[in-house]
Amino acid sequence: DAKTTQPNSMESNEEEPVHLPCNHSTISGTDYIHWYRQLPSQGPEYVIHGLTSNVNNRMASLAIAEDRKSSTLILHRATLRDAAVYYCILSSGTYKYIFGTGTRLKVLA
Amino acid sequence: DAGITQSPRHKVTETGTPVTLRCHQTENHRYMYWYRQDPGHGLRLIHYSYGVKDTDKGEVSDGYSVSRSKTEDFLLTLESATSSQTSVYFCAISDPGSVMIEAFFGQGTRLTVV
Repeated sequence: DAKTTQPNSMESNEEEPVHLPCNHSTISGTDYIHWYRQLPSQGPEYVIHGLTSNVNNRMASLAIAEDRKSSTLILHRATLRDAAVYYCILSSGTYKYIFGTGTRLKVLA
Repeated sequence: DAGITQSPRHKVTETGTPVTLRCHQTENHRYMYWYRQDPGHGLRLIHYSYGVKDTDKGEVSDGYSVSRSKTEDFLLTLESATSSQTSVYFCAISDPGSVMIEAFFGQGTRLTVV
């Protein structure tokens, strides 16, 4: 299973954009890139996913590098409620979602 | 919210006793997963199921067994609980072949083995 690498932690000021990076250099051609986040004392929740093209939804944007070896989750205006651990994972053909340790995002008021 | 119910939500048990955690879904999703989460380790996949009676091991399956006799239920059993299995356990469901590709997670079960 392909692995992902993320920074352990990041900080952002409230109402500023946040760019959360993820490296996945061993990604295969059929792997989807998923992002989940986990708020304190809750189970993870889906944020966004993509295959090759950049994606937007109401929560965030996903920018995927042309070679697909990295991606960036973009929160356009961070709020205090966005403070969470963000996980970048790849879904292989077996659909085994393997989580790493994620990036803990701290949002400063 | 996706219809996922984990039971019990909290449990304290003694070392050496068997423990079964239940995950129940009302979404008819094909895939079900069990994860454990410990400080500093993120979520680690224990076992997953891709259909009734179809299961496979994850990253940390030693000491755990699972069963899925119905689409809606996925059971995780600790045959003889140890203190190292004290953790928060999350169940998840997904239906990769459908339009909604995302996984949905339950609220977790906090298990303490004393």
